[in-house]
Amino acid sequence: GNSVTQMEGPVTLSEEAFLTINCTYTATGYPSLFWYVQYPGEGLQLLLKATKADDKGSNKGFEATYRKETTSFHLEKGSVQVSDSAVYFCALRNTGGFKTIFGAGTRLFVKA
Amino acid sequence: NAGVTQTPKFRILKIGQSMTLQCTQDMNHNYMYWYRQDPGMGLKLIYYSVGAGITDKGEVPNGYNVSRSTTEDFPLRLELAAPSQTSVYFCASTLTGGIGDTEAFFGQGTRLTVV
Repeated sequence: GNSVTQMEGPVTLSEEAFLTINCTYTATGYPSLFWYVQYPGEGLQLLLKATKADDKGSNKGFEATYRKETTSFHLEKGSVQVSDSAVYFCALRNTGGFKTIFGAGTRLFVKA
Repeated sequence: NAGVTQTPKFRILKIGQSMTLQCTQDMNHNYMYWYRQDPGMGLKLIYYSVGAGITDKGEVPNGYNVSRSTTEDFPLRLELAAPSQTSVYFCASTLTGGIGDTEAFFGQGTRLTVV
């Protein structure tokens, strides 16, 4: 079945450090891939998405590239800020499907 | 647009009590979902609906019921609350299930504690 595996957290970084959160997936067909962010006390918000192989999703300085050959969608940011502290969820939805499968989430703490 | 609205935001229940978590969306989305998020875990799908009058079980439906009498509303019912149902509950919606419309919109969540 479909699944998403994320690196375990928490991840603790200093401000302006480089961020990578790994995400790999298992799916049949050609899924769409997403990163959602959950700030403290809030619901999930879509951060970025990619709908086909080699697409790069980007938003707010974050980016992730859909790598079909390695079944990965790693999230990166060149310089994190304290305000980026949140839980990040990798997710997929299969072509023609409507159920979104979420990873376990990775908590990021950014220190000033 | 308000998007997806959930009420209440917080609730404490005693074992055996019942309650309904409300969810309303004003985007005319056909698909609606209920997820639960346990500490340190990802979201698990409880129930979903593909349109008014149609509902189906997700991964963890036991102990819950849903109804979808209108496109806008998708309430989640707990009949006999148990400590295992202590969690954060999220309602979400999507316009369709097909390609090209893949973003899910989430409510702010309901934090439920059963004691």
